[in-house]
Amino acid sequence: DTAVSQTPKYLVTQMGNDKSIKCEQNLGHDTMYWYKQDSKKFLKIMFSYNNKELIINETVPNRFSPKSPDKAHLNLHINSLELGDSAVYFCASSQDKGSYGYTFGSGTRLTVV
Amino acid sequence: GEDVEQSLFLSVREGDSSVINCTYTDSSSTYLYWYKQEPGAGLQLLTYIFSNMDMKQDQRLTVLLNKKDKHLSLRIADTQTGDSAIYFCAETNQAGTALIFGKGTTLSVSS
Repeated sequence: DTAVSQTPKYLVTQMGNDKSIKCEQNLGHDTMYWYKQDSKKFLKIMFSYNNKELIINETVPNRFSPKSPDKAHLNLHINSLELGDSAVYFCASSQDKGSYGYTFGSGTRLTVV
Repeated sequence: GEDVEQSLFLSVREGDSSVINCTYTDSSSTYLYWYKQEPGAGLQLLTYIFSNMDMKQDQRLTVLLNKKDKHLSLRIADTQTGDSAIYFCAETNQAGTALIFGKGTTLSVSS
């Protein structure tokens, strides 16, 4: 069983479209995250979500909105996609504040054309 | 804000030791981490060290922490071609709400 699973693995879409990426974890963790990895492999935190408390990274455009229907799921919805949104998006989860590290999904490669 | 710095590239020969270095800014981070990313894959937690430790050894991996200088290193003994990957150093942000990653060190192992 995959601990943190993301779908889709690849997503190619046109500028201006709206898309969602889904994430599910079966580890019983209470905190989930979205990270963005750009073409230079730099990783940046976008959001963390703990028991219905959303912590927003202020540098993330408000076109990005995380939605968590329950503790095991954290989806990422992106409106009006732009070329600069092309990246690999990673979901991760942890227990509490992740003292023992985070578990990452395998990523969603988003390409905006 | 928090910042984690790493050199971007390291090239070694198979069988040699690799040492990847990292400096960080937030001394309040309780744990410091090393993650490995293979091509096309997610990040895999390799090891972590508690901030009151100087060293941690786990098979071929040795982590050294110099808290005074805010310097963390990862030594891989007997480096193999399968160790070729990007290695990320990470610390927890001050609020404890996220891991902050360095830019990653690409390790290239030649046979």
